[in-house]
Amino acid sequence: KAGVTQTPRYLIKTRGQQVTLSCSPISGHRSVSWYQQTPGQGLQFLFEYFSETQRNKGNFPGRFSGRQFSNSRSEMNVSTLELGDSALYLCASSAGETQYFGPGTRLLVL
Amino acid sequence: QKEVEQNSGPLSVPEGAIASLNCTYSDRGSQSFFWYRQYSGKSPELIMSIYSNGDKEDGRFTAQLNKASQYVSLLIRDSQPSDSATYLCAVNPPGSARQLTFGSGTQLTVLP
Repeated sequence: KAGVTQTPRYLIKTRGQQVTLSCSPISGHRSVSWYQQTPGQGLQFLFEYFSETQRNKGNFPGRFSGRQFSNSRSEMNVSTLELGDSALYLCASSAGETQYFGPGTRLLVL
Repeated sequence: QKEVEQNSGPLSVPEGAIASLNCTYSDRGSQSFFWYRQYSGKSPELIMSIYSNGDKEDGRFTAQLNKASQYVSLLIRDSQPSDSATYLCAVNPPGSARQLTFGSGTQLTVLP
């Protein structure tokens, strides 16, 4: 089975812009979770989608949003980018409780 | 108190030794526990999951869980230089499947 794929892998944006990241889960997995990883805060949960519905949300501002499509692919959007949004954004898919991570999208905000 | 705490590290062991990585968690109702390995510049890779008290072995890796002490550990036997990475302990809070809370990670270096 192909693993979790994320696009793009690298992204450079400037403050105030918005960005959309994409995640395709492992075939058959209906749950997609998103995480942010920074050197200072570590890995932090953003939100989880299952069957196109957001089931859980972490402690992030409303600038961070997401959605899931009927084929389980998911996107996350960050509006009005801030310097502190520079991070590795990881998507994880699961069929049960075990989550498998994609390669991540490294976002740099200048 | 952080929800999931790990040895701050870094931890160095000689090749062939046993590496012991420890993790404590604060939510007594947590039921699912995971160890991930993350190489520099890469994404986390699942090593082990454990749900019941006791030991779970997979090759050179053994996960140990003690819910009464709220403690999870990972032992790596016959450590190899390729095991050098950051090891992340992750816990599913009760009622929040697929919402992992991670520790800050322990950086392990295996010296040839």
